[in-house]
Amino acid sequence: DVVLTQTPVAQPVTLGDQASISCRSSQSLVHSNGNTYLEWYLQKPGQSPQLLIYKVSNRFSGVPDRFIGSGSGSDFTLKISRVEPEDLGVYYCFQATHDPTFGSGTKLEIK
Amino acid sequence: QVTLKESGPGILQPSQTLSLTCTFSGFSLSTYGMGVGWIRQPSGKGLEWLANIWWDDDKYYNPSLKNRLTISKDTSNNQAFLKITNVDTADTATYYCARIYYSGDGFDYWGQGVMVTVSS
Repeated sequence: DVVLTQTPVAQPVTLGDQASISCRSSQSLVHSNGNTYLEWYLQKPGQSPQLLIYKVSNRFSGVPDRFIGSGSGSDFTLKISRVEPEDLGVYYCFQATHDPTFGSGTKLEIK
Repeated sequence: QVTLKESGPGILQPSQTLSLTCTFSGFSLSTYGMGVGWIRQPSGKGLEWLANIWWDDDKYYNPSLKNRLTISKDTSNNQAFLKITNVDTADTATYYCARIYYSGDGFDYWGQGVMVTVSS
């Protein structure tokens, strides 16, 4: 099983500041076809998860450019600049390179 | 527009078989590259991927649950299904279905989820 370790577990943030979430994989997420299938989802309170980022750094349609995904190999980061109230919730990374697995989540909360 | 909606029994007893249905609109599971996945979430906990089914009837299962899961589809009625055999209390969760358009491009649309409780 590929284990995705997210840090921190909770990220207190001041509105308008930047937040950063790390996702580290127990194995390289580079597929044999050269792609890296690492995604980020946000689950707002009481809602279904929503796709933010796919293939490390591609923003899904309608996702603001304040959300930036980066990384390679087994080390990935989601940065959220100028945090707004609607950004609060739990962020999950997810890998589809191997048998798919989710990270354990990072709660973005108001400081 | 793309919508998905899950339905299920609500409550069932240990050792029974859980049958879930995902009814969708706005896309076809016969379209090249299209897929539907199932993901679950126990209350207050994280997400767990269960299974995917693709336009060409390819199926992929979570290895830790593989012997209990069966995913299938009815393309003409725009539905996907998941069966979980021999349920126990650990299967109590909200179950989501979600669309994937091209493997690796993410679960781009999700249903609202259906809560399932396993209790004697």
